[in-house]
Amino acid sequence: DIQMTQSPSSLSASVGDRVTITCRASQSISSYLNWYQQKPGKAPKLLIYAASSLQSGVPSRFSGSGSGTDFTLTISSLQPEDFATYYCQQSYSTWTTFGPGTKVDIK
Amino acid sequence: QVQLQESGPGLVKPSETLSLTCTVSGGSISSYYWSWIRQPPGKGLEWIGYIYYSGSTNYNPSLKSRVTISVDTSKNQFSLKLSSVTAADTAVYYCAKTTVTTDWYFDLWGRGTLVTVSS
Repeated sequence: DIQMTQSPSSLSASVGDRVTITCRASQSISSYLNWYQQKPGKAPKLLIYAASSLQSGVPSRFSGSGSGTDFTLTISSLQPEDFATYYCQQSYSTWTTFGPGTKVDIK
Repeated sequence: QVQLQESGPGLVKPSETLSLTCTVSGGSISSYYWSWIRQPPGKGLEWIGYIYYSGSTNYNPSLKSRVTISVDTSKNQFSLKLSSVTAADTAVYYCAKTTVTTDWYFDLWGRGTLVTVSS
C-alpha cells in the first residue's frame, strides 16, 4: 500500500492568510495526486487533480504543486468559506488511498 | 446537471449484508466509472471500489473478500453489497462519479448516507 501523510493535521488561520498544506507519499507517485475539500456534514469536493490542475469552477486562489513524494496545496488568500478539512488522494496505484486530512479553522 | 443519490437501510445488524444503491440523475451512467467511498464518523476517507458501466470492477484489497459492486444501466443505478458487517463498517457511505485517465479522481459526489451496524 502507498501510505499518505499530511501536515499539519490542523491549523488556525485568519481571513486573508496564505495557507499551505503538505501531503507526502510513502513512495514516488509521479503527479498522481488529487486534493479535496470537505465541510462538516457535506461530501468532499474535488479541488485539484493531477497535482496542479484546477477543477472547473474552483476559485483560482487554490493551487497545487509537487511531484514524486512531496506535494502542497496552497490557498493564496483564505476566505471564510475555505474553513474546512482538506484531503489528498493518490491515484498512482491500482487502488487509491487518502491522506488523514488537515483541518483549517478560524484563528 | 448530473446528480447522485445514495439509498438503502440506515441500520444493519452485525454479520448481515449492507446493501446500498446510487441513482444517477441528469445524465447517463454509461461511459463512466462509478465508486463507493466511506467515512467512519469523525474519521478519514476510505475508497471501497469502482465499477465501469460495462461491469468491470476494481476493489480495495482490504475489503475485496466482502464487497460486490454491480451496475444496472437500464435504471441508471449502481449498487454496493458489503457482507459480514461489523461495527467497524459503521460509516457515511458516498457514491461518486470517477474520472479515470492516467490519473483517477472523484469529481462528483452524492450527499452520503449513514449506515450504522448494530444489533
